[in-house]
Amino acid sequence: AQTVTQSQPEMSVQEAETVTLSCTYDTSESDYYLFWYKQPPSRQMILVIRQEAYKQQNATENRFSVNFQKAAKSFSLKISDSQLGDAAMYFCAYKGGSGGSNYKLTFGKGTLLTVNP
Amino acid sequence: KAGVTQTPRYLIKTRGQQVTLSCSPISGHRSVSWYQQTPGQGLQFLFEYFSETQRNKGNFPGRFSGRQFSNSRSEMNVSTLELGDSALYLCASSLVVGTAFTDTQYFGPGTRLTVL
Repeated sequence: AQTVTQSQPEMSVQEAETVTLSCTYDTSESDYYLFWYKQPPSRQMILVIRQEAYKQQNATENRFSVNFQKAAKSFSLKISDSQLGDAAMYFCAYKGGSGGSNYKLTFGKGTLLTVNP
Repeated sequence: KAGVTQTPRYLIKTRGQQVTLSCSPISGHRSVSWYQQTPGQGLQFLFEYFSETQRNKGNFPGRFSGRQFSNSRSEMNVSTLELGDSALYLCASSLVVGTAFTDTQYFGPGTRLTVL
């Protein structure tokens, strides 16, 4: 079974600074997708960024970028120029590709990010 | 395009009762998945529906069931509620192109169920 581990239960960052959230995963599949979701106090789960495992290029969405290390099974999220609105719980998630666990997301336990003004 | 909607947003029930939660996917999305979120267990997959059929189910007791209608709207039902069923129930939809299921799931705001 696939597992996703987020080793940092809480992180804090100063406004305008950069922060990196860590995520590791375990899988025997070669085809899969990785995601970062953000869940603010409203509890709405919002997609932040998506990475396809077969792509070596790291995904980027504005101030959000990932460092995808497939051999190390690591998928960290970097938030640049942090803003107060970035404060939220961040979840790393895994989804299988063409077979196996391709029907569901497997989530980590989350990292609570605080942004200090 | 409107996002995933879930109703009701909040629900309070007592033990032994049953409850039905509703989810309307993004227009054009035909796959609907349900997740349970609790502080202790985190986010866990409940089931997934496509074309009015349950394709996959997570490790939950038979008290948890669901269905999908021809317009892709989905409902989930929990019978004989237990205190441990108190949770945020999240619905997610994804696009299916022909027979190809796309990888990204988009979530609704959730239904907060409290069982007293």
